Amino acid sequence: NAGVMQNPRHLVRRRGQEARLRCSPMKGHSHVYWYRQLPEEGLKFMVYLQKENIIDESGMPKERFSAEFPKEGPSILRIQQVVRGDSAAYFCASSPLPPIGNQPQHFGDGTRLSIL
Amino acid sequence: SQQGEEDPQALSIQEGENATMNCSYKTSINNLQWYRQNSGRGLVHLILIRSNEREKHSGRLRVTLDTSKKSSSLLITASRAADTASYFCATDDSGGSNYKLTFGKGTLLTVNP
Repeated sequence: NAGVMQNPRHLVRRRGQEARLRCSPMKGHSHVYWYRQLPEEGLKFMVYLQKENIIDESGMPKERFSAEFPKEGPSILRIQQVVRGDSAAYFCASSPLPPIGNQPQHFGDGTRLSIL
Repeated sequence: SQQGEEDPQALSIQEGENATMNCSYKTSINNLQWYRQNSGRGLVHLILIRSNEREKHSGRLRVTLDTSKKSSSLLITASRAADTASYFCATDDSGGSNYKLTFGKGTLLTVNP
């Protein structure tokens, strides 16, 4: 039973380019969460999605960042016109049920984004 | 201090010794979770303790929760070199969004062979 799969593992972009990060949740999981981790920091919540719905994007910057979880295919975190400050590790997590507070989130290995 | 803040920031011990890490938080919670992160990898879920529980065990792990002090501790007994990793506590917010986990900066544990 494959875990949460993220790709690419490493992504290098130049300032102004677009970055697309993909996440396939665990089989049977329909709830996806994205987090960002800056160097030597804990993870910060960005967005929570269910299939075809954004439930909570309160942790995501208002500009340049967007996320989707289509009916078919992986969840995508998209960063437009990247800047140096976007350099971080981006983690995706998934859970099988609506988060009622007693279900752990299962994390992927992350995408390390480096901006030149 | 931040929600879900771990203490100490770094801990170095010898194989076979016990390691204790602490976590403090600010809001009321439904549950508290501990995760492990090996260098360059994602987070691995270790244990979840509910707000109405005081202690929980899983293998060599022992977690305690004191909601009156808003603190938790993670004890790893008989440590091994393979336990070397960063350990994070994560809390939800019973008064807000219980899916929105808040992580501290973690404790970097080094177990020397």
